[in-house]
Amino acid sequence: QSALTQPRSVSGSPGQSVTISCTGTSSDVGGYNYVSWYQQHPGKAPKLMIYDVTRRPSGVPDRFSGSKSGNTASLTISGLQAEDEADYYCCSYAGGYSVVFGGGTKLTVL
Amino acid sequence: EVQLGESGGGLVQPGGSLRLSCATSGFTFSSYAMTWVRQAPGKGLEWVSGISGSGGSTYYADSVKGRFIISRDNSRNTLYLQMNSLRAEDTAVYYCAKGGRAAAGPIYFDSWGQGTLVTVSS
Repeated sequence: QSALTQPRSVSGSPGQSVTISCTGTSSDVGGYNYVSWYQQHPGKAPKLMIYDVTRRPSGVPDRFSGSKSGNTASLTISGLQAEDEADYYCCSYAGGYSVVFGGGTKLTVL
Repeated sequence: EVQLGESGGGLVQPGGSLRLSCATSGFTFSSYAMTWVRQAPGKGLEWVSGISGSGGSTYYADSVKGRFIISRDNSRNTLYLQMNSLRAEDTAVYYCAKGGRAAAGPIYFDSWGQGTLVTVSS
């Protein structure tokens, strides 16, 4: 149950695009198409942004997109906005009723 | 509207016990897997435990296995986490979260509670 690997921080200017990577193993990210991404603002509960690798819940802007290749998943945010500044966590199903989270990435909008 | 609300957090001495509850409304509780996720101060999210909709299947992170027990009362639409033999490293905000797909495992979580703080300290 090792945590998925994410960069500790990324940054971008308003209007730019950023991509956050999430690397796991064949037992989690690579083994299932069940990667999800969560946004967390300080002092708030996490919010689901992407599920099943590429799907967006209703209400999430289409600026947010997900993808996966092998054991690495990615979250891309295009047209960065100030309110996108937050911590982002990836999560992968790992079999049974278990999941594993990434260590989190702090996104700074410059 | 789906709502989840945790309670039961507080200050407890090392070796002590605490029982968290998560009251829910707005969805068919028994149809969805539920999960506990925690976040230590200044740290990332850590999956703690998951339970199937019926309550018949439960899983735990290695860090809490043998000490924590997850359960649910589908008649009360409530999720529980019994925490025993608490350690300083269990100090965290504990969130309950709803599985996003009916009759499936906790593949993703589409609703979260506001969290309850557990502090383990003498």
